[in-house]
Amino acid sequence: GESVGLHLPTLSVQEGDNSIINCAYSNSASDYFIWYKQESGKGPQFIIDIRSNMDKRQGQRVTVLLNKTVKHLSLQIAATQPGDSAVYFCAETPNTNAGKSTFGDGTTLTVKP
Amino acid sequence: DTAVSQTPKYLVTQMGNDKSIKCEQNLGHDTMYWYKQDSKKFLKIMFSYNNKELIINETVPNRFSPKSPDKAHLNLHINSLELGDSAVYFCASSQVGSPLHFGNGTRLTVT
Repeated sequence: GESVGLHLPTLSVQEGDNSIINCAYSNSASDYFIWYKQESGKGPQFIIDIRSNMDKRQGQRVTVLLNKTVKHLSLQIAATQPGDSAVYFCAETPNTNAGKSTFGDGTTLTVKP
Repeated sequence: DTAVSQTPKYLVTQMGNDKSIKCEQNLGHDTMYWYKQDSKKFLKIMFSYNNKELIINETVPNRFSPKSPDKAHLNLHINSLELGDSAVYFCASSQVGSPLHFGNGTRLTVT
């Protein structure tokens, strides 16, 4: 499943499928990008980050892609599991100080068993 | 456990009251923050402290006053609470060049 457009508030996928969550950022000076996952009743947790000198970075079951030309960021989750159900936020930062991050609106991922 | 911990987890109070939220981090980070998350899950930074010094102060009513007694603690005091202050407040910490570590939030309900 994939969220399209600038952002989609919700994305529903079948367990085992791949998920793609998209994010458009606005500041061309942003050079550090982070994806966070927020489960119900908890604070956002770091998933993966990428700096502007890269266009792809892989983690365990997750991949972040950065397209600076169109100011677009995506998070790919392979073999989505029920535990992946959460709200996902992208955050852009004008320098490597994550504290100055601007957060996107968030996408709610629901995984159907 | 190494973490960012904030108390209380839930806070229900009446309009006009004054309340405080406490935050502590044992990650050794130099910078701490307060974020506000509204009912639509939108996250917005309120304040940032680096080694007890205020470095970010977004457009927040002056009824909100952060206090950092040392670099491991950042408390948030709110005077004259209003209905619109109802939200989830997150404390976070970080080192420069590293992602934020968030606490689990304080859900404030003003009635």
